[in-house]
Amino acid sequence: KAGVTQTPRYLIKTRGQQVTLSCSPISGHRSVSWYQQTPGQGLQFLFEYFSETQRNKGNFPGRFSGRQFSNSRSEMNVSTLELGDSALYLCASNRLSGGAYNEQFFGPGTRLTVL
Amino acid sequence: AQSVSQHNHHVILSEAASLELGCNYSYGGTVNLFWYVQYPGQHLQLLLKYFSGDPLVKGIKGFEAEFIKSKFSFNLRKPSVQWSDTAEYFCAVPGRGSQGNLIFGKGTKLSVKP
Repeated sequence: KAGVTQTPRYLIKTRGQQVTLSCSPISGHRSVSWYQQTPGQGLQFLFEYFSETQRNKGNFPGRFSGRQFSNSRSEMNVSTLELGDSALYLCASNRLSGGAYNEQFFGPGTRLTVL
Repeated sequence: AQSVSQHNHHVILSEAASLELGCNYSYGGTVNLFWYVQYPGQHLQLLLKYFSGDPLVKGIKGFEAEFIKSKFSFNLRKPSVQWSDTAEYFCAVPGRGSQGNLIFGKGTKLSVKP
């Protein structure tokens, strides 16, 4: 079974631009979460999507947004990029069957550099 | 509010040394605890998890962790580390609202000298 894939793997943008990152979850997984990883703040939850709806959101400004498509693929968008948005953006998918907690499977990440 | 703290930022060990990485949590609901590992250039992957039952949890690659409720701790251990254990280790608890929200500690970087 293929793992979580993220594209692109690396991205360089300048301040003020916008960027779109893509994530394809493991087949059959309906939940997709996004995290930002930086040396200073560590791993921080951005948002989670399930059945094309945002289920949960972390403490990030409105410049960070996302969506999920009917095939469970997800995109996140960052508008008006700032230098501080430079980070590794991780996507995780989850089978989300009812009952017990399910493991999240992480992708390799997209390394975003803002100049 | 849920939170996780990891005491060690960077640990350096020689091969065959024993490892213990500290993790303390603050969590208001049913306790679910996780350790994830991120090997250089690789995906973040689950090492082990605790949901209930035996407080001593076995994970992959010889790792184990012990849940001590009275100390709010979930320390990660390995009796004898190898150079291939060089990685960053993260303790995590579920955040509010949904399974897809994990709160991670700041991570502990482990360097194993051959």
